[in-house]
Amino acid sequence: DTGVSQDPRHKITKRGQNVTFRCDPISEHNRLYWYRQTLGQGPEFLTYFQNEAQLEKSRLLSDRFSAERPKGSFSTLEIQRTEQGDSAMYLCASSLRTGAGNTIYFGEGSWLTVV
Amino acid sequence: AQTVTQSQPEMSVQEAETVTLSCTYDTSENNYYLFWYKQPPSRQMILVIRQEAYKQQNATENRFSVNFQKAAKSFSLKISDSQLGDTAMYFCAFMKHGGEGNLIFGKGTKLSVKP
Repeated sequence: DTGVSQDPRHKITKRGQNVTFRCDPISEHNRLYWYRQTLGQGPEFLTYFQNEAQLEKSRLLSDRFSAERPKGSFSTLEIQRTEQGDSAMYLCASSLRTGAGNTIYFGEGSWLTVV
Repeated sequence: AQTVTQSQPEMSVQEAETVTLSCTYDTSENNYYLFWYKQPPSRQMILVIRQEAYKQQNATENRFSVNFQKAAKSFSLKISDSQLGDTAMYFCAFMKHGGEGNLIFGKGTKLSVKP
């Protein structure tokens, strides 16, 4: 059990470029979540998957954002046409489907800076 | 909509002393879960302690304990025998029953443990 891993850990991109982040959850976890955290704020929920199905999306997830989990294992979060307001840490998390209140384990996050 | 408020942006405590971090929340739900997460500098967020709202007994985890006051919608974290490794951001979070991993976080409290 190596925990939730995210790649890259840091990304600097020019405004208008596309970026993609990858998340590998804990191996037996079938739920996977994406959160966004800006400086001075707590994380905000973006979306979650159960296996390969994306079951909920926050209104924060604009049309420029797309998340996938093609085989129910790793997930990608793509941001198209990045804007400066997208600068944030993108956190991935995973959990077992043991019912409501199951413990959610977070990765170390991927920092995005849009210049 | 649920909200979580942490009114103490920063706190400090001497090593071996006790400190209490405050958290209040607002919800119309009756069944929910409350969490305290710790986020050390440049490290992943980890779960410190959780409380099920239907349980009257306050949760404890070694040096960490909570004071859960459901009627007052208050959920404070007490850290006893503070250690230098407790230095971190602490986030209070709420999840409604059936919330499917949609954690609502407060803005966090930056705790510094001084030698």
